[in-house]
Amino acid sequence: EAGVAQSPRYKIIEKRQSVAFWCNPISGHATLYWYQQILGQGPKLLIQFQNNGVVDDSQLPKDRFSAERLKGVDSTLKIQPAKLEDSAVYLCASSLQHSSYNEQFFGPGTRLTVL
Amino acid sequence: AQTVTQSQPEMSVQEAETVTLSCTYDTSESDYYLFWYKQPPSRQMILVIRQEAYKQQNATENRFSVNFQKAAKSFSLKISDSQLGDAAMYFCAYEWGGSYIPTFGRGTSLIVHP
Repeated sequence: EAGVAQSPRYKIIEKRQSVAFWCNPISGHATLYWYQQILGQGPKLLIQFQNNGVVDDSQLPKDRFSAERLKGVDSTLKIQPAKLEDSAVYLCASSLQHSSYNEQFFGPGTRLTVL
Repeated sequence: AQTVTQSQPEMSVQEAETVTLSCTYDTSESDYYLFWYKQPPSRQMILVIRQEAYKQQNATENRFSVNFQKAAKSFSLKISDSQLGDAAMYFCAYEWGGSYIPTFGRGTSLIVHP
């Protein structure tokens, strides 16, 4: 079974530039999560999708971050414009269903550096 | 708001020995889940063990077990017969059954000495 795929693995940009991350969840997984993991901290949930609908985006800085999951499969997370404090690893995870009982499977992450 | 505290930034253990990682959490809810995740260097985060709050019996997965003290809001992870491959960051996480929004601690770095 293929795992959660993310690209790119690394990205370096200047502040005020835009950046996009892509995630392909495990086939058949209805729920998809985007996390931000700042160095030295645990992951923080940014947004959660169930199929192509948003379940929770209460911690997503909507003035600069956006995410979509077209057709309920792949997802993209965009930052526009980026700030220095956005430097972090962005993790994507998926699970079978929207439930605390279902295990989340994580991708390798995208390490973003904003200069 | 729920918080998860891991008071040990770093722990070390000798190969084949036992180590315990601490985690405390703050919540007013009664229905929730607790998790330990492992994040090896440059590798994906994986679930190690999970505990449902309504279950009194402590969860066990092979060499990994938890000590769940609901009244004390404590959820420690015990790793028995430690192996070199256990070296990683370990994150404790809490999730309320009604929100599905996980809250992670800051992590504990486990070093395993041969």
